[in-house]
Amino acid sequence: AQTVTQSQPEMSVQEAETVTLSCTYDTSESDYYLFWYKQPPSRQMILVIRQEAYKQQNATENRFSVNFQKAAKSFSLKISDSQLGDAAMYFCAFLRDNDMRFGAGTRLTVKP
Amino acid sequence: GAVVSQHPSWVICKSGTSVKIECRSLDFQATTMFWYRQFPKQSLMLMATSNEGSKATYEQGVEKDKFLINHASLTLSTLTVTSAHPEDSSFYICSASGQRTDTQYFGPGTRLTVL
Repeated sequence: AQTVTQSQPEMSVQEAETVTLSCTYDTSESDYYLFWYKQPPSRQMILVIRQEAYKQQNATENRFSVNFQKAAKSFSLKISDSQLGDAAMYFCAFLRDNDMRFGAGTRLTVKP
Repeated sequence: GAVVSQHPSWVICKSGTSVKIECRSLDFQATTMFWYRQFPKQSLMLMATSNEGSKATYEQGVEKDKFLINHASLTLSTLTVTSAHPEDSSFYICSASGQRTDTQYFGPGTRLTVL
C-alpha cells in the first residue's frame, strides 16, 4: 500500500507571512492524485488543493500553491499571506484506484 | 461541489449497545462510499470501502462483525457499531465518490462516545 509521510507534526507562522508544509509519498505507480486537506476544529475535511500526477504544472488556489516533484515523490504546500483562519490540521493525501491514504498531519498555528 | 451529510453528528451510548451512523450523498449518486476512523490528534484511517449493492471490503484489523456497513442505495450508506465499548469511542468520517474516482467528498463526521 502507498504510504504518505508528513515529517512536520507542528508548524508555526506569523500572520501575513509564508509557510511551507512538507509531504512525501511512496508509490510505484505513475498515475495518481495528490491532495491537501484542511481540518479545522470542527473536524470537517476541507479540500485545499488537488494535483494530478500526469500534470507537470503545479496546482494553485489563490494563496495556496504546491511544489510537486514527481521524481522525488514530494508534494509540499505553500501558504502565502497567512491568515488567522488558516490555523488548522493539514493532511496530505494520495489517491489511486479509489483508495485514499493520508499522512499523519501537520498542525499549523498562525500567530497574530 | 458535491455534498455529503452524516447523521447524527454526535452520539453518546452505553457500553454494550449498538449505534447506527448514516452517510448520505445529497446531490450525486455515490457509487462508492468509504468509512474512516479518526482518534484524537491522529490521522484518518480507512476502515472499509463499500460499493452500492455489494458487501463492504474491510481493511486489515477492522472487525467486520463489529462494524457493519450497508450500502443499499446510491445515496445512503450506514455504519453500525455493534456492542459498542469505550475503546470504540472515536470520530467517524464517511466519504463518497461518484462515477469519477479521482476525488472523494467528505461528510462532517460523527463523534461517538461510549460510556
